[in-house]
Formats: sequence, structure tokens, C-alpha cells
Amino acid sequence: DVKVTQSSRYLVKRTGEKVFLECVQDMDHENMFWYRQDPGLGLRLIYFSYDVKMKEKGDIPEGYSVSREKKERFSLILESASTNQTSMYLCASRPSGSFYEQYFGPGTRLTVT
Amino acid sequence: AQSVSQHNHHVILSEAASLELGCNYSYGGTVNLFWYVQYPGQHLQLLLKYFSGDPLVKGIKGFEAEFIKSKFSFNLRKPSVQWSDTAEYFCAVTRGSQGNLIFGKGTKLSVKP
Repeated sequence: DVKVTQSSRYLVKRTGEKVFLECVQDMDHENMFWYRQDPGLGLRLIYFSYDVKMKEKGDIPEGYSVSREKKERFSLILESASTNQTSMYLCASRPSGSFYEQYFGPGTRLTVT
Repeated sequence: AQSVSQHNHHVILSEAASLELGCNYSYGGTVNLFWYVQYPGQHLQLLLKYFSGDPLVKGIKGFEAEFIKSKFSFNLRKPSVQWSDTAEYFCAVTRGSQGNLIFGKGTKLSVKP
């Protein structure tokens, strides 16, 4: 079974803090993704990566950055957290090829106060 | 820009009722189509997917979906819902050469016992 794990289920941070969200997958997938999920808005793509050290902006990259130093790990960084970044963050991975499904982690619910 | 529309925000049904959730997409080219489900407190998981061939696709837990190219639709159906089907359902479509997913905003299904 594919397993995508995220470092925290719940996280509370203060405005202005630097926040790291970690994601690890165990199936040697090339592609990894970060989404945020908000009620009534569905899932919106923040960043994705097709290979180690490669990254591409998604639909809502502002205020975020990413890092992929190893194939299995994809980190989302909030340089200076703001209250409008309070959300559920989902990581996903997928083999190369758009016909493959994405496998999702359990999510990290981040609250910025 | 490509988009995915899910017509219903919240559907409430009694057990044994039939279910149909609408999904329409805007892209006219070749698409791959997915339905994902998120049970309360759980991660997103794949219900079913369509890439080619028979437009009637069967998924897990008795769900099926029909791809109607002329209507740009991929509606999800189940003949008889159970209380355990209470969840949020997301339709998704691949876009572009990279094959990233565009998600609809989701439909919450509540099944009354």
C-alpha cells in the first residue's frame, strides 16, 4: 500500500512565524503536490514537483515556498505565517503519468493566530 | 481556463435512496476524470477513474460514473446509499501536458439512517 505521511495532524502557530510542513511518501513516486483545502473552495494546488530539486508553482503559490531535496520528501514552507493561511494542508504523490491517481496524506490542520 | 463544476454543495438523503452527483468540466480536449471521497476525519481516497474505453466506470463501494463527452459531464451514481456513505465527494479532471488535477469544490453528502 502506498503511504503518504505528514509530520503533524494539527499545528498552531503565531502570525509571522516560519512554518515547515513535511510530507514523506514511501512508493518512489516522482511527482509530489501540496494543496490547501478550504470549505466551499475544494482543493487548490499550491506547488508541485516532478523530480528532486524541481518545483513548479500551482494556482496559489503566494506566501509559500517548497523544498524537495530527496525524492521521498516534499516540504511546504510558510515564510511568515498569516491568519489567512489557516487551512487544511494536503500532500499527495503520484507516479509519472497523468493517468495515475494521486495518493493523499491525512492532512495538517494549521491554525495561525 | 479549465474548470470543474459540482452542482450541489450539500445533498441530504435517506438510506436506500438513489444518488447522483453532478460534475461538469470545461476542457474540450482529452481528459482523465476522477472521483475522490473524503470520509469524516479520513484522508482523500480514490472512488473511481476514467481514462478511455467504456464510458461507464465502476468504482469501489458500489459507486459508478458515466462519462458523457458531448455534455462534458462525469456524474457519480449509486443506486442505494448507506449511512456509511456520508462524506465529501470531489470530482477532478487532469489538465495540460503535466496532468495536474483540477478539483471541483466538493459535494457534502449526508445520509440519514
